[in-house]
Amino acid sequence: DVKVTQSSRYLVKRTGEKVFLECVQDMDHENMFWYRQDPGLGLRLIYFSYDVKMKEKGDIPEGYSVSREKKERFSLILESASTNQTSMYLCASSIAVTNYGYTFGSGTRLTVV
Amino acid sequence: GQQLNQSPQSMFIQEGEDVSMNCTSSSIFNTWLWYKQDPGEGPVLLIALYKAGELTSNGRLTAQFGITRKDSFLNISASIPSDVGIYFCAGQNSNNNNDMRFGAGTRLTVKP
Repeated sequence: DVKVTQSSRYLVKRTGEKVFLECVQDMDHENMFWYRQDPGLGLRLIYFSYDVKMKEKGDIPEGYSVSREKKERFSLILESASTNQTSMYLCASSIAVTNYGYTFGSGTRLTVV
Repeated sequence: GQQLNQSPQSMFIQEGEDVSMNCTSSSIFNTWLWYKQDPGEGPVLLIALYKAGELTSNGRLTAQFGITRKDSFLNISASIPSDVGIYFCAGQNSNNNNDMRFGAGTRLTVKP
């Protein structure tokens, strides 16, 4: 089975800190995604990547950046964390050129104080 | 982006009852998918539908791809406590597998 691993389940950071959320997948998937999940808003796409060093903005990229230096790893960066970035962050990966759905990690619950 | 309207937002049911939830879109999709998120975990794929009119079952779960390609529903029969969680619909169009849109989710609570 594909496994998507997010490095932290819970994080508490201070306003203004630079925050790194790490995601690793072990099945050679081309596509990787970062979503944030908020009650009543569902899953909103922040960024995705379809290849190493390639990235595309999703629906809510403001305040975030990403890095994909290796195929298996996709990092989400909050340059200067703010309280409105308190949320559940979900990483996902998928094979390209197919409609088999995405495999999600367990999520990182980030609290910015 | 395309909006998916998922209803109901939440459901409180008794164990043993059947459940029905649906999702509608203003645009057509080529693929509809249903995910379940257990508390504290990421969403897991339950059912994928690839053809208009398709009806697919996975145990006590049944999902249908609407004829218009703008809607889908998910039924759960004879609910049990472990059905608790958030159910998400998702629609997809491209073959690049990178444009999936999600509904806001249906939170299901099952009382024993």
